[in-house]
Amino acid sequence: KQEVTQIPAALSVPEGENLVLNCSFTDSAIYNLQWFRQDPGKGLTSLLLIQSSQREQTSGRLNASLDKSSGRSTLYIAASQPGDSATYLCAVMRGSGGSNYKLTFGKGTLLTVNP
Amino acid sequence: DAGVIQSPRHEVTEMGQEVTLRCKPISGHNSLFWYRQTMMRGLELLIYFNNNVPIDDSGMPEDRFSAKMPNASFSTLKIQPSEPRDSAVYFCASRRLDTQYFGPGTRLTVL
Repeated sequence: KQEVTQIPAALSVPEGENLVLNCSFTDSAIYNLQWFRQDPGKGLTSLLLIQSSQREQTSGRLNASLDKSSGRSTLYIAASQPGDSATYLCAVMRGSGGSNYKLTFGKGTLLTVNP
Repeated sequence: DAGVIQSPRHEVTEMGQEVTLRCKPISGHNSLFWYRQTMMRGLELLIYFNNNVPIDDSGMPEDRFSAKMPNASFSTLKIQPSEPRDSAVYFCASRRLDTQYFGPGTRLTVL
């Protein structure tokens, strides 16, 4: 059974700092890995999607990497801003048995960026 | 595009009552998911529909839970009878290619 772990559970940084959020998963047979953002009282918004054959994806100040063999992904946020404050969730999609739909989520990292 | 629409946004009910949650997926998306989010267990997939057909309901906790998708633009998740342990935020999501688009969720409180 796939398990996804995110460390730390919470992180507080001053504005302008670069930061890294970590995600690990137990089964390397994945189809893709996705990072989501969740704001309080709202749904999830997809930030980045990395296919299993890729090593990284970038969008603006965000960069996500994937090391499938070690079961790890990182989300790098450059020059953090107060508007980045949210919970960030990592999710992996199974890559076999016709299950290319089922996302297994980590419990998220609550990020607070202080002005 | 209005995104995924869920109603109600908040529901407070008493134990034993029937609860119906509603979802309208994004037009043109042929996959729909129902999730439940709690502090203890995080986000869990309850059921997955493809082209209005339930494909995987292995996450539905028990027979008190049922879900339907009568057409491509509407789905319901019903809990009957509800129990306090069903209190959670329930999300609906629809999918285009590999990306899932989530609704704002329904916060359910069962007293």
